[in-house]
Amino acid sequence: GAVVSQHPSWVICKSGTSVKIECRSLDFQATTMFWYRQFPKQSLMLMATSNEGSKATYEQGVEKDKFLINHASLTLSTLTVTSAHPEDSSFYICSARAGTGLEKLFFGSGTQLSVL
Amino acid sequence: DAKTTQPNSMESNEEEPVHLPCNHSTISGTDYIHWYRQLPSQGPEYVIHGLTSNVNNRMASLAIAEDRKSSTLILHRATLRDAAVYYCILLMNYGGATNKLIFGTGTLLAVQP
Repeated sequence: GAVVSQHPSWVICKSGTSVKIECRSLDFQATTMFWYRQFPKQSLMLMATSNEGSKATYEQGVEKDKFLINHASLTLSTLTVTSAHPEDSSFYICSARAGTGLEKLFFGSGTQLSVL
Repeated sequence: DAKTTQPNSMESNEEEPVHLPCNHSTISGTDYIHWYRQLPSQGPEYVIHGLTSNVNNRMASLAIAEDRKSSTLILHRATLRDAAVYYCILLMNYGGATNKLIFGTGTLLAVQP
């Protein structure tokens, strides 16, 4: 089946630094990619939707200058957490979809970010 | 956004069938019903989806009520590897690639050996 690769799987960084997370669709072209974050014992919260070659659409309450999303190709999207703070520590998950928008999503394995 | 309601948790015994219910009384005619599951420390995994008719695949079956206000995910023989959080989600059809999945709280399924 289709595979979405997400790297790194975990990262520890100092407060004030920036962290980039990559999400790649390995065997299909992803027209749309989504970024979620998840706190312990909570559900996934959608952060933003990105379509290749256009600006991401952020959900209400998500700071677009803090969470930079780039979807430069049909197989790669990146999320950069800028000037990270301890409250940004979370599990970040990307997902990708090919096609019309009614099909299933394929999810990456997630990135655990810990900001010290 | 149309919402779903699921029990917080359920228990099952290994090798027995499991019926996971989901209520979605505000579903609209073009909303698809999707199910995903998430194992600990992993990204969610697609299970099944449907619109009006019941659906079967190698993982599970999806039974959709005639009025579409509820659905049931059926795992025919639960295994220990099926222990996960199961999410029932309505995919609202806005007619484009930006249709998005909004996760609810899900059902934590425990499988006893």
